[in-house]
Amino acid sequence: EPEVTQTPSHQVTQMGQEVILRCVPISNHLYFYWYRQILGQKVEFLVSFYNNEISEKSEIFDDQFSVERPDGSNFTLKIRSTKLEDSAMYFCASSESSRLGQYFGPGTRLTVT
Amino acid sequence: QKEVEQNSGPLSVPEGAIASLNCTYSDRVSQSFFWYRQYSGKSPELIMSIYSNGDKEDGRFTAQLNKASQYVSLLIRDSQPSDSATYLCAVLAGGTSYGKLTFGQGTILTVHP
Repeated sequence: EPEVTQTPSHQVTQMGQEVILRCVPISNHLYFYWYRQILGQKVEFLVSFYNNEISEKSEIFDDQFSVERPDGSNFTLKIRSTKLEDSAMYFCASSESSRLGQYFGPGTRLTVT
Repeated sequence: QKEVEQNSGPLSVPEGAIASLNCTYSDRVSQSFFWYRQYSGKSPELIMSIYSNGDKEDGRFTAQLNKASQYVSLLIRDSQPSDSATYLCAVLAGGTSYGKLTFGQGTILTVHP
């Protein structure tokens, strides 16, 4: 069964550094998303991406964040100048359409020290 | 701010019983509703989608939707210890949203032998 994959599974970085989280969505899906979950808190929407551009973003997704689809398979989230409060699980998800269920990858645990 | 509310539990049921999980949402124009299961330290796993009023059954799971009351529920029949997890209600924003899911805080379910 097709699944969303993410790398790395765990990333440790120092405050102020830049990180890139990578995702390979399910191959026939057209909509891609990033969510994050701070330990013990709700899953929060960050951004949706369709047709090589951002469709919607949350108030969390400020200039510190960017997304890119550098080739036909990868979907990346870049976080610039990381802060302690960026420590969280970051989930990539994909779906066939914006109205259907989204399938989540296993996540990347980001730890900012 | 669109909200999704769940009873955080924990909900404890004996093996073989029916577990009933509830969710309310505030966005009246929402059209798509999902239940995800999240094991500790893992990513959300899509288990049910429901789009119209009434019941939808899939194996041991039944989702119920009442848009007038802005209420979604999930019934798990013949509960098994392997069903022990956090169950997340997720609502797709209505209107011009492009796939933004709003999650509840989750209900912790424990099925004891």
